[in-house]
Amino acid sequence: DAGVIQSPRHEVTEMGQEVTLRCKPISGHNSLFWYRQTMMRGLELLIYFNNNVPIDDSGMPEDRFSAKMPNASFSTLKIQPSEPRDSAVYFCAIRRVGMNTEAFFGQGTRLTVV
Amino acid sequence: GENVEQHPSTLSVQEGDSAVIKCTYSDSASNYFPWYKQELGKRPQLIIDIRSNVGEKKDQRIAVTLNKTAKHFSLHITETQPEDSAVYFCAATPTHGGSQGNLIFGKGTKLSVKP
Repeated sequence: DAGVIQSPRHEVTEMGQEVTLRCKPISGHNSLFWYRQTMMRGLELLIYFNNNVPIDDSGMPEDRFSAKMPNASFSTLKIQPSEPRDSAVYFCAIRRVGMNTEAFFGQGTRLTVV
Repeated sequence: GENVEQHPSTLSVQEGDSAVIKCTYSDSASNYFPWYKQELGKRPQLIIDIRSNVGEKKDQRIAVTLNKTAKHFSLHITETQPEDSAVYFCAATPTHGGSQGNLIFGKGTKLSVKP
């Protein structure tokens, strides 16, 4: 569990509010991924970073979503303004690119937009 | 880009029976294929993986096979137990292009093991 720490674990917010999800990965990785999971769509990749640089953000649903990784130990996913259809579990995962190794997932943030 | 298809979406077996989940991928250059288990309300966790230079790998009751020519790989669980009930995801890793290093996941298989 200490590999990737996500906060908050649960978030309930009203439609139109800004939501910020946080991820703190351990050192030793060089890739970080944000996934969204829903019953209908499964695990969707939103964006991933290699060495803190965004590589592929084609999965970001729309301009309301943005992600940053200012350093190797911290990343944020922001939704502004939030909508009910954004309700999902958001996972952060880390991996060492260049080596065929597993991705470690955080515990996830369950977001409910009412 | 890489695309991973997973079947079936749901699978119900009797305790003690075997379960097989199959995945196909589109990018012949993909070289790493992990399988994740996600229990209800928890995060996905790796249970087994296979690399493209290997055709089969086994870990106790779990085995994975890879057919590079046909571009498909499968998860086999023998002597299933109720605690095997979960959602299982396969994934593939592209080795080139914009998605290099990414993990492309299948849609998942919900396995139910009935006592």
